Amino acid sequence: EPEVTQTPSHQVTQMGQEVILRCVPISNHLYFYWYRQILGQKVEFLVSFYNNEISEKSEIFDDQFSVERPDGSNFTLKIRSTKLEDSAMYFCASRGEQGRGPQHFGDGTRLSIL
Amino acid sequence: DAKTTQPPSMDCAEGRAANLPCNHSTISGNEYVYWYRQIHSQGPQYIIHGLKNNETNEMASLIITEDRKSSTLILPHATLRDTAVYYCIVRVADNNDMRFGAGTRLTVKP
Repeated sequence: EPEVTQTPSHQVTQMGQEVILRCVPISNHLYFYWYRQILGQKVEFLVSFYNNEISEKSEIFDDQFSVERPDGSNFTLKIRSTKLEDSAMYFCASRGEQGRGPQHFGDGTRLSIL
Repeated sequence: DAKTTQPPSMDCAEGRAANLPCNHSTISGNEYVYWYRQIHSQGPQYIIHGLKNNETNEMASLIITEDRKSSTLILPHATLRDTAVYYCIVRVADNNDMRFGAGTRLTVKP
């Protein structure tokens, strides 16, 4: 069964450094998402992306964050200047159908900021 | 969006059916009920969704009451690998974000 893949599985970065998290969505999907989960807390929506532009973002997704689909397969989340509070699991998701089709999630990247 | 209420935790014996309830009394007519689960720190795994009819797939069954104010996810023969946090989410189909609550922590015991 097709799946969303994320790399790396664990990223350790110094505070203030830039980090790029990578995702390969399911191949025929058109809608892409990033979520995060701080340890012990709920899964939180960050941003959705469709037709090469952001369609919705949460208040968490501030100017330090950006997303890109640099080619036909990858979907990336960039954090420009990481803070300690950015430490979390970051999940990518994709959805194929319009309407009621469910989102399918990857297994996440654990981001640790030192 | 309709708010959902789930019990914080449940236990189930291995091999028995696990019935996970969800209350969504303020659901509106165009909102679907989605179920996901999260095993340890893995990504949320889609299980099933429905609008008003009962649904069944290879993983589970979803029973939605006639007034749509509550639903039950049924895992017919729970195994130890079904131990996870189960999330009931009510969303309009085209909305972008799946809003995860605290879910129900299901523990399947031998």
